[in-house]
Amino acid sequence: DTEVTQTPKHLVMGMTNKKSLKCEQHMGHRAMYWYKQKAKKPPELMFVYSYEKLSINESVPSRFSPECPNSSLLNLHLHALQPEDSALYLCASSQEEGGTEAFFGQGTRLTVV
Amino acid sequence: QKEVEQNSGPLSVPEGAIASLNCTYSDRGSQSFFWYRQYSGKSPELIMFIYSNGDKEDGRFTAQLNKASQYVSLLIRDSQPSDSATYLCAVKGLTGGGNKLTFGTGTQLKVEL
Repeated sequence: DTEVTQTPKHLVMGMTNKKSLKCEQHMGHRAMYWYKQKAKKPPELMFVYSYEKLSINESVPSRFSPECPNSSLLNLHLHALQPEDSALYLCASSQEEGGTEAFFGQGTRLTVV
Repeated sequence: QKEVEQNSGPLSVPEGAIASLNCTYSDRGSQSFFWYRQYSGKSPELIMFIYSNGDKEDGRFTAQLNKASQYVSLLIRDSQPSDSATYLCAVKGLTGGGNKLTFGTGTQLKVEL
């Protein structure tokens, strides 16, 4: 099973709303990632969690707040977003051993209005 | 210099031909290399990964790695229209305990009937 599950699949939110994106994997992976992808651009790394601790933050604005409640779950809390934050948000996971492959969820298509 | 570079294409090949996709990377400490296929509006799907110099074959796909020249390539034999997609090269370096997965801009492949 190489499944990473993301919910919701689509989300429309206003600039004053607070919402959360969720990601779940049951492969025993200890590294989990959030990526942002705009149309016709590659995925852009936002955060990496390793063993439930934040190991990489690619200078992401504080209106994006990640959380890793346990080894299977990864959340991304959203608050006071801007229309330019509209994008496909991708979660991925991999074994915590450096060289192993990462598997992606199907993504959440976010629209900020 | 970008960390991972690819020709954006589009690369057009006739059905049944070999498609050759190339990628160069800047970090000599990079440890592992991945090719993802992404259809429009979908999430990236892992096609191949390679860690050692040389060739690695999986069905119609062959990944080639040359660490001295810092390039990795993907060959697709007997190309099919269903192979038409954007192919993303991704590289894992040593940052963040080996968990930073960085993508190139992707090469759009079009397989024509």
